[in-house]
Amino acid sequence: AQSVAQPEDQVNVAEGNPLTVKCTYSVSGNPYLFWYVQYPNRGLQFLLKYITGDNLVKGSYGFEAEFNKSQTSFHLKKPSALVSDSALYFCAVRGGNTGGFKTIFGAGTRLFVKA
Amino acid sequence: DTEVTQTPKHLVMGMTNKKSLKCEQHMGHRAMYWYKQKAKKPPELMFVYSYEKLSINESVPSRFSPECPNSSLLNLHLHALQPEDSALYLCASSQGQQGAAGNTIYFGEGSWLTVV
Repeated sequence: AQSVAQPEDQVNVAEGNPLTVKCTYSVSGNPYLFWYVQYPNRGLQFLLKYITGDNLVKGSYGFEAEFNKSQTSFHLKKPSALVSDSALYFCAVRGGNTGGFKTIFGAGTRLFVKA
Repeated sequence: DTEVTQTPKHLVMGMTNKKSLKCEQHMGHRAMYWYKQKAKKPPELMFVYSYEKLSINESVPSRFSPECPNSSLLNLHLHALQPEDSALYLCASSQGQQGAAGNTIYFGEGSWLTVV
């Protein structure tokens, strides 16, 4: 069965410090991995994705993520957090035998950045 | 420009009402989706249309009826809903090739539905 785990319900970080939001996945075949952010009362915004190639993926708003095949992880990172980064973050995976249309979302991680 | 537009932003309806949610995209995407999202939970897939044909129905109750009039529009018709159907309904789109799992899904801002 294909799945995505976000082990932390909440991450707290001080403004200016680096942040990491963790994601691990389980999928048969090649994984296609995504990160989305959701601000309060808004839809999901695409941040970045891993398809193939370089394991370090750079995305919007200074975020990046590292694909680690041996650890089946795709952690989201940012070198210096901003208060405005406070939001709900979803890791997602597609691929394997789900076909092209079914996206498996993690439970979400709430990020709080304190000034 | 990655934009999916949803109307209305908020909808309150009684359990005997009939209403519709509307979604529009002009990115030339050929796959369109409806998701349901409860507070602080991940989105749950409801329906997928590919090239204006229903491709996936995730065993959604018949009180939800999707419609794809053309490649840019997606509707969700609502009838005889229950209070537990209150949620954020998200429309999304992606390039539509079947099996193209690497295509990014772009979401609208959602329609907040309250059933009273």
